[in-house]
Amino acid sequence: DAGVIQSPRHEVTEMGQEVTLRCKPISGHDYLFWYRQTMMRGLELLIYFNNNVPIDDSGMPEDRFSAKMPNASFSTLKIQPSEPRDSAVYFCASSSRTYNSPLHFGNGTRLTVT
Amino acid sequence: DQQVKQNSPSLSVQEGRISILNCDYTNSMFDYFLWYKKYPAEGPTFLISISSIKDKNEDGRFTVFLNKSAKHLSLHIVPSQPGDSAVYFCAAATYNQGGKLIFGQGTELSVKP
Repeated sequence: DAGVIQSPRHEVTEMGQEVTLRCKPISGHDYLFWYRQTMMRGLELLIYFNNNVPIDDSGMPEDRFSAKMPNASFSTLKIQPSEPRDSAVYFCASSSRTYNSPLHFGNGTRLTVT
Repeated sequence: DQQVKQNSPSLSVQEGRISILNCDYTNSMFDYFLWYKKYPAEGPTFLISISSIKDKNEDGRFTVFLNKSAKHLSLHIVPSQPGDSAVYFCAAATYNQGGKLIFGQGTELSVKP
């Protein structure tokens, strides 16, 4: 089991540029979550998918953020255009079922927008 | 509005002593609670959980206590070891919200030899 794989590990970009973060969940997991970690707010849920379908995107900050899951083994989180306040660590997590099933997190993507 | 709060950003404990990490929540509908541990440059990893029908759950050196009337939970680590130094997040979920986890801000624990 390779775990949840995220890429890139680090991303530095200039304000206004498009940023795409990638995630490969654990094989067989039906749920995929995108979280953002900041010092002030801790871990915030942005969006989650069940069987590749977005279920709850109420945490997505604004229209600049979008997420897709074209198949069971791949998801992307896109920010366009990026802003300095988007700088954070973005985590992807997956689980085999929701509610009382622990999430398995990737190692995150540290995004810096200058 | 922060539904799950960890009011202590950091905690320092001597090796061998007890570490107590606290967490408060505001949503009375939460019925499942978890603690995650996070090392630098890694993702959070699941540590221990508790259902709202219980008030205590133990796993080795780790015990989680739940006080529903106070909307408070705590994680006890006994005895603390230097390898326990990490950021600890508490999280809560409610069945009718599809099980999405709401996390606190985290508490950084430092266990000194």
